[in-house]
Amino acid sequence: QVQLVQSGAEVKKPGASVKVSCKASGYTLIGYYMHWVRQAPGQGLEWMGWINPNSGGTKYAQKFQGRVTMTRDTSINTAYMELSRLISDDTAVYYCARLRGSSSLSRWFDPWGQGTRVTVAS
Amino acid sequence: SYVLTQPPSVSVAPGQTARITCGGSNIGSKTVHWYQQKPGQAPVLVVYDDTDRPSGIPERFSGSNSGNTATLTISRVDAGDEADYYCQVWDSSSDHPVFGGGTKLTVL
Repeated sequence: QVQLVQSGAEVKKPGASVKVSCKASGYTLIGYYMHWVRQAPGQGLEWMGWINPNSGGTKYAQKFQGRVTMTRDTSINTAYMELSRLISDDTAVYYCARLRGSSSLSRWFDPWGQGTRVTVAS
Repeated sequence: SYVLTQPPSVSVAPGQTARITCGGSNIGSKTVHWYQQKPGQAPVLVVYDDTDRPSGIPERFSGSNSGNTATLTISRVDAGDEADYYCQVWDSSSDHPVFGGGTKLTVL
């Protein structure tokens, strides 16, 4: 079945970087855009950006411009999200999610990865 | 940018019907998708394209969308439906998704 499996929890110090992986199984990574969404403790869902695994093209939310980099390795069907210059407010669970839907009016996410908890603390 | 508004919480007795709303300007002209998120778990798609259910989602989950309000309806609610529910649309002007703030469903 289609599944996204993410890397394990991370603890980082302020100013460091974190790189989260998202391995796709049950389908070919290049067939669908991959998005990243984060959720701070007790908060809602916050969109971070996407990568087109076929071309490598990316688009990032303005909030994360300059700090986030999304990449992929098609040989191992895996997408990555790296966030640099971490601050305490970056403490959150980070999800990858496969984009579905073919029209500009109808796009949704299915499935989601299980999430990666990133804790930023000194 | 486009804003989606959900009530923070909805409570319902077991066996009753829960209705969770998602408000947005002329949201009826967009397509709405709904996710269920149980504590400590990732979101799961329960309704897409306003009214469609992915395979494996019970018929008790249904959606509607008109005017300025979309609604997720859960009939014959049971304790297993306790979760946070999020609505989502695609904002074509900014070309990115927009999520509602989430609604916590409590089964009394």
